[in-house]
Amino acid sequence: QLHLQQSGPGLLKPSETLSLTCYVSGDSVNSNSYYWGWIRQPPGKGLEWIVSIYNSGNVYYRPSLKSRVTTSVDASRNQFSLKLRSVTAADTAVYYCFGVRAVAGDQDFWGQGTLVTVSS
Amino acid sequence: QSVLTQPPSASGTPGQRVTISCSGSSSNIGGNSVNWYQQLPGAAPKLLIYTNTQRPSGVPDRFSGSKSGASASLAISGLQSEDEADYYCAAWDDSLNGHYVFGTGTKVTVL
Repeated sequence: QLHLQQSGPGLLKPSETLSLTCYVSGDSVNSNSYYWGWIRQPPGKGLEWIVSIYNSGNVYYRPSLKSRVTTSVDASRNQFSLKLRSVTAADTAVYYCFGVRAVAGDQDFWGQGTLVTVSS
Repeated sequence: QSVLTQPPSASGTPGQRVTISCSGSSSNIGGNSVNWYQQLPGAAPKLLIYTNTQRPSGVPDRFSGSKSGASASLAISGLQSEDEADYYCAAWDDSLNGHYVFGTGTKVTVL
């Protein structure tokens, strides 16, 4: 069983960079058994997929965010990260990291969620 | 803006059957499989149905999924109070270099 633990600041000013990390326990972040990613949920609104990261090296982005998003995988710390540049109030949301069992896609694991508020 | 359309709400009394629709297009549901997620209040979403009709281990069999053309449906039979939650369909979309899309979400209320 995987366990995902998120970390990162909850309050940012406009134009700053959002930086979140998801620590994985229970398997290696380099395992081909899973792929990883991030979604977000603005307050009172629906789910928005942000990015999916495959250990093949393929990364897929939400088209509207692609120019501002950077992801990384750190095998030495068994974690993966999300950076979102030049945030505005529209980026205020609860951000969740996830892991999905690859191939079958029959099991998912989620971080606890981080409320990120962008305010001057 | 989501490209998968769901009704904003659905409701039923305990024991009833509730159905939620999800309408897409040829670039998403029409050509790819559909997943459904359940999000309980204050919690992360959880995979409920994958590959159109399959239930992950531990998901009760009162939840079922179907797909026809560019639309999909989630049915909850024998509605229970603990089923009160938000439900989202999702699918891969082949446009714009490929990306995952969620539906607009449906709030299910148990009366």
